[in-house]
Amino acid sequence: GQQVMQIPQYQHVQEGEDFTTYCNSSTTLSNIQWYKQRPGGHPVFLIQLVKSGEVKKQKRLTFQFGEAKKNSSLHITATQTTDVGTYFCAARYGGATNKLIFGTGTLLAVQP
Amino acid sequence: GAGVSQSPSNKVTEKGKDVELRCDPISGHTALYWYRQSLGQGLEFLIYFQGNSAPDKSGLPSDRFSAERTGGSVSTLTIQRTQQEDSAVYLCASSSRGGGTYGYTFGSGTRLTVV
Repeated sequence: GQQVMQIPQYQHVQEGEDFTTYCNSSTTLSNIQWYKQRPGGHPVFLIQLVKSGEVKKQKRLTFQFGEAKKNSSLHITATQTTDVGTYFCAARYGGATNKLIFGTGTLLAVQP
Repeated sequence: GAGVSQSPSNKVTEKGKDVELRCDPISGHTALYWYRQSLGQGLEFLIYFQGNSAPDKSGLPSDRFSAERTGGSVSTLTIQRTQQEDSAVYLCASSSRGGGTYGYTFGSGTRLTVV
């Protein structure tokens, strides 16, 4: 079945350091979304990327969609303790279904 | 409503019993999704509704699981003869269309524990 691999599974950083999580699919994606889940919370939508090579920024967060639309990344500059949580990519493959296939997630821990 | 509402927030049930989980999506959202999340794991797709119909039920793990949606609004996920492996957080999400342009809004989930 369709799978979305996400690395790393876990990242521990000092506050102020940068952080990147990567999402990879073996097949071309229609689009990709990113979600953040705080500890004990539910996933919250961050952004959607649709076009090949697309780059979007939200303050300290930079999202990229690969040229082949098979991979994506989320980069956080100068992490803060409020960035703690699990970051999920979620892929849509197109076709009849509109479901999202979620990646395995990257848990980010930020030490003050 | 202002957000996606799920009830109950917690459910402890004995193995073999049936449970019903309810999801009340954002008013006007036509697409509704059920996922489940085991402790420390990712989100596993269960079923997708567009209006009252379910074009994609491919994620339902067994015939013990069923779901329905009525009036294009509230959805109920039913698990019959619960097993311990059914223990997880069941998350419901809605989006204003098929989600092609918009992200999902998730509810806070129902934490199901089968003892």
